[in-house]
Amino acid sequence: AQSVTQLDSQVPVFEEAPVELRCNYSSSVSVYLFWYVQYPNQGLQLLLKYLSGSTLVKGINGFEAEFNKSQTSFHLRKPSVHISDTAEYFCAVRGFYNQGGKLIFGQGTELSVKP
Amino acid sequence: EPEVTQTPSHQVTQMGQEVILRCVPISNHLYFYWYRQILGQKVEFLVSFYNNEISEKSEIFDDQFSVERPDGSNFTLKIRSTKLEDSAMYFCASNAGVSGNTIYFGEGSWLTVV
Repeated sequence: AQSVTQLDSQVPVFEEAPVELRCNYSSSVSVYLFWYVQYPNQGLQLLLKYLSGSTLVKGINGFEAEFNKSQTSFHLRKPSVHISDTAEYFCAVRGFYNQGGKLIFGQGTELSVKP
Repeated sequence: EPEVTQTPSHQVTQMGQEVILRCVPISNHLYFYWYRQILGQKVEFLVSFYNNEISEKSEIFDDQFSVERPDGSNFTLKIRSTKLEDSAMYFCASNAGVSGNTIYFGEGSWLTVV
């Protein structure tokens, strides 16, 4: 079984400041890791994913995340945020060997970018 | 880019009524899912569907819920007798089934039970 913990429910930040959204996971098997973004009144959109290889993955809109196996973390970062990045961000995991396996989501982090 | 489409976008129903939420997954995808998100809470897995049968379901997916793929394109979620606590955003999703592939989500159907 897998679980995901997003350590911050809300992260307020000023425009052009850097941001880190934290995610830790627990799993008895190897996992794939994902970050999804949900803009107000919209569905879930994939930001980036880690499958294998380089532990630093880059996604859309200037976001990147680093997989740390020893710390079981997959924190999301952006060096300079924009107002348009205001959204809910969800970290998710899926079992490595299960092609059709479900995603397990964290509680979400609400990123609020202020001018 | 192909997308998952859901209808209706918003439905209000009276407690005890049956509701059917409809989804058109991405063409050629093999796995289909329903998730729900109660307001202010996390996205929760309900059920996955593969090869015309349920492959996995959560504790939430009790006898009140059912899924169906009535034809080659639609994937539906039926709630037989809605309760107030069924009020939530319901997301349909699909996956091509290749190892590591992305699960793509629709825009969601917001269900309000009154």
